[in-house]
Parts: sequence; structure tokens; C-alpha cells
Amino acid sequence: AQTVTQSQPEMSVQEAETVTLSCTYDTSESDYYLFWYKQPPSRQMILVIRQEAYKQQNATENRFSVNFQKAAKSFSLKISDSQLGDAAMYFCAYRSGTGNQFYFGTGTSLTVIP
Amino acid sequence: KAGVTQTPRYLIKTRGQQVTLSCSPISGHRSVSWYQQTPGQGLQFLFEYFSETQRNKGNFPGRFSGRQFSNSRSEMNVSTLELGDSALYLCASSPGGKRNIQYFGAGTRLSVL
Repeated sequence: AQTVTQSQPEMSVQEAETVTLSCTYDTSESDYYLFWYKQPPSRQMILVIRQEAYKQQNATENRFSVNFQKAAKSFSLKISDSQLGDAAMYFCAYRSGTGNQFYFGTGTSLTVIP
Repeated sequence: KAGVTQTPRYLIKTRGQQVTLSCSPISGHRSVSWYQQTPGQGLQFLFEYFSETQRNKGNFPGRFSGRQFSNSRSEMNVSTLELGDSALYLCASSPGGKRNIQYFGAGTRLSVL
């Protein structure tokens, strides 16, 4: 089974600064998708950004961008100009291109300091 | 479009009881997946239903079961509850297809006393 590892249980960032959350994964597949989800205290998981493995270009969504290193099996999330509303648990997730089962990392709790 | 709706939001049960959780997916979505979230284990995949058929199953005991109805609504049942079943149970729906994104509900918080 695929595994997803988030090695940073907790991170903090000053408001308006930039923070990078790390994620590595293990797979033998060539076709897959990677995701970052955000779970605020309200518990609702929200999709932040998605990356298709076949795309070399890193995905970007406003202040959120990823650094996708396919050979290294690394998928980090960069949050620029951090805002108080970014405080949440962030989960990295993997999905095979041939199935619908998602594999999640254990999450990184992000604190934004005013 | 309405989002994924899970009911109830909170449940308190005692050991040995059984419980049924409900999930209404986004309209048009045919796939529903269930996850158990605990502080120590993170999100653990329970099972996925697509068009009323269980398509994938995680590594959970047979006490955990589910089903999906023709309108894509899904239920999850846990029988003979144990203290370790206390968790947040999340449901996610997706359209089905290669570029699936899962959309999550707010979850049901189950406490087993």
C-alpha cells in the first residue's frame, strides 16, 4: 500500500510570512494524484491544491503553491503571506490514477502568530 | 449545490451498542468514502461505495459495515462498539472518474463510554 509521510507534526509562522509544509510518499505507480487538504477547527476538510503526477509544472492556487519533486517523491506546500485564517491541520494525500482510495498523511498542525 | 451532509454531528454511545451514521453526498456524486480520524492514527480509510457497490475496503474489522442507496446516500454501521471506536468519522463524496477530488462532510464525532 502507498504511504504518505508528514514529518512535521506542528509548525508555526508569523502572519504575512511564508511557511513550507513537507510531505513525502512512497509508490511504485507512475500515474497518481497528490493533494493538500486543510482541516480548520470546524472539522470540515477543504481541498487546498491538487497536483497530477504527469504534470511537471507545479500547481499554484493564489497564495498556495507546491514543490513537486517526482523523483524524490516529495510534495511540499508553500503558503505565502500567511493569514490568521490559514491556521489549521494540513493533510497531504495520495490517490492512485487507477483507483479512488485516498491515502493520507498524519497531518501538520499550523499555527499563525499575529 | 449543497455540500456533503453528515448526520448526526455528535453521538454518545456505550460499549456493546451499535450505531449508524449517515452521509448525503453532493448531488450527482456516485462515490462515497468513509474515514475514521483519530489523533494517533490520522485518517484511516474504511470503505468506498460506488453505485451501491462496495468498491474498496480498508483494514477494519467486520464490525464496521456500510451500504449505499440508489440515491447515493450512504450509511455506516458499527456494531458491538468498543472504547477504541471513539473517533471523528468523515464521509467524502466524489463524482467518480479519473480526476476525482473528494469533498468532505463535517464529520460525526462518536464517543463511546
